[in-house]
Amino acid sequence: AQSVTQPDIHITVSEGASLELRCNYSYGATPYLFWYVQSPGQGLQLLLKYFSGDTLVQGIKGFEAEFKRSQSSFNLRKPSVHWSDAAEYFCAVGSTYTGRRALTFGSGTRLQVQP
Amino acid sequence: GAVVSQHPSRVICKSGTSVKIECRSLDFQATTMFWYRQFPKQSLMLMATSNEGSKATYEQGVEKDKFLINHASLTLSTLTVTSAHPEDSSFYICSASDLFGPGTRLTVL
Repeated sequence: AQSVTQPDIHITVSEGASLELRCNYSYGATPYLFWYVQSPGQGLQLLLKYFSGDTLVQGIKGFEAEFKRSQSSFNLRKPSVHWSDAAEYFCAVGSTYTGRRALTFGSGTRLQVQP
Repeated sequence: GAVVSQHPSRVICKSGTSVKIECRSLDFQATTMFWYRQFPKQSLMLMATSNEGSKATYEQGVEKDKFLINHASLTLSTLTVTSAHPEDSSFYICSASDLFGPGTRLTVL
């Protein structure tokens, strides 16, 4: 069965500092990996996704993620965090990109940004 | 562009009543949609898979008679919470493809 681990429940960074959110997955075949962001009381916004090809994926809002098969990781990064980035971040894995199978989510990482 | 919408965004109802939540795919068709439930400060838990033209598939522990799902067209899936009770209060989110709706906050008094 597929699973996703986000080891950090809560992270606090200063505005302007770099950010890395960790995500490890367990999946038997080629995973389809996603990062979403959720503001309080809102739905999920897709930041980026990886299906194949270049292992460094660029997303919206200046985020990027790197797929490392040897480490079963898909960490999210941003070089300079803005106060508006404070939110909950979810990593997810899916078994297909056709949309016919649901995603499995990690437990989430809450990001706080200090001024 | 492609978007998933939900209606209503927020609903408050009395215990024992039924509530219907709509999930629509805009600018694309979705033969499969998914319904998730999210408790405060927790992750999303899959409730069921909604299949256009056929019965929904429910996850273990989800009561299919309580959470009725209808996927009547390629752009619309509905979730009806029947005889709602306070423990059904939660944030319900639907998805189609890799897009998620804005969620529906259900509060049962």
